[in-house]
Amino acid sequence: QKEVEQDPGPLSVPEGAIVSLNCTYSNSAFQYFMWYRQYSRKGPELLMYTYSSGNKEDGRFTAQVDKSSKYISLFIRDSQPSDSATYLCAMSNYNQGGKLIFGQGTELSVKP
Amino acid sequence: DTEVTQTPKHLVMGMTNKKSLKCEQHMGHRAMYWYKQKAKKPPELMFVYSYEKLSINESVPSRFSPECPNSSLLNLHLHALQPEDSALYLCASRLTGGLGETQYFGPGTRLLVL
Repeated sequence: QKEVEQDPGPLSVPEGAIVSLNCTYSNSAFQYFMWYRQYSRKGPELLMYTYSSGNKEDGRFTAQVDKSSKYISLFIRDSQPSDSATYLCAMSNYNQGGKLIFGQGTELSVKP
Repeated sequence: DTEVTQTPKHLVMGMTNKKSLKCEQHMGHRAMYWYKQKAKKPPELMFVYSYEKLSINESVPSRFSPECPNSSLLNLHLHALQPEDSALYLCASRLTGGLGETQYFGPGTRLLVL
């Protein structure tokens, strides 16, 4: 079993839809949770960063962390074609020297 | 400014060549990383430098040789690579300590080994 599980998709939605991306994990020591967006042939771009449990909102993006269920989510409201990319969840434990454990990435396509 | 720069953007090399990848950041971050990413896969950690010292080597073959000349620069020296080493090579940096666990990635160098 992988430490972090993420449905690879692909996920296709119409423009304006609400998108829900999810990851589950097995290591209860993870404290830092991140979502990265990666466009084709580019480096990952940090979207959201959450420490421990709770919600965080930034514009159309909301990140949720439920440590009791070992489950994290990223919601995208009013999705746009420019949101078409691969979304990677990542998490770490402070004592791991900042080593990130990534999910497999979900490929999202938003159709006009 | 959360910018990590990488040069070159693209690199084609033969199996007998020696080349180097360069990464630079001016955010005052004290941890720097090299990752390898194959198509449709997440980044795979290769090396971590913390305060200019190598702290993690993920059992990477010796044909990859990292170097951290100072706190802003990270190099990856390549020698006698194999075609299966063709990938996107990503550099990242992180502000160590406190809540600074966020890693910022550069755009990557796309490497093709012939």
